[in-house]
Amino acid sequence: DAGITQSPRHKVTETGTPVTLRCHQTENHRYMYWYRQDPGHGLRLIHYSYGVKDTDKGEVSDGYSVSRSKTEDFLLTLESATSSQTSVYFCAISDLALAQGANYGYTFGSGTRLTVV
Amino acid sequence: EDQVTQSPEALRLQEGESSSLNCSYTVSGLRGLFWYRQDPGKGPEFLFTLYSAGEEKEKERLKATLTKKESFLHITAPKPEDSATYLCAVQGNTDKLIFGTGTRLQVFP
Repeated sequence: DAGITQSPRHKVTETGTPVTLRCHQTENHRYMYWYRQDPGHGLRLIHYSYGVKDTDKGEVSDGYSVSRSKTEDFLLTLESATSSQTSVYFCAISDLALAQGANYGYTFGSGTRLTVV
Repeated sequence: EDQVTQSPEALRLQEGESSSLNCSYTVSGLRGLFWYRQDPGKGPEFLFTLYSAGEEKEKERLKATLTKKESFLHITAPKPEDSATYLCAVQGNTDKLIFGTGTRLQVFP
């Protein structure tokens, strides 16, 4: 893999508790993304970061917050977990500075399976 | 609004039976169309990027083609190890990838 790890791989939590998922990269890529993947919906963007302390919302950001204090780490926090946030969460990285013709899109981590009970 | 639709949702093939997967898209200012393969319990793995209509790329038994409205992933003489979910995504002026829901391919010996 291209130096991207997610932790934990699996987590079960109770409704109403805060949860933080971690994404760590060793590629020094500028851009990092959090997606969730649900049956029938495909991959949907939650939040993304275009640099340290620079983040923005995706299409399904309600109930989630992110932080990026270092280039290599991007944290996703569920402030108060709900059952609708049961999903598989993927982190991805990219370097849009790659020259035209060398754009490989995103490199994904292995995912975190989160269950909210 | 950028949008990607993949068909069929699922496809069952006999080993050696060639077929095609479809990805229809609408996007403002196409910067790239991507194909990924995803195995159960894993993250998507990059296969191809296509940039303009008429472009084709090949990798082993897979060939991706692109028109102004759709892309096809052709699978020639598939093997059981080609079984996976294949995802299509587009990148437009927003720079973010928009994904389809995927085609789940099963190849039987």
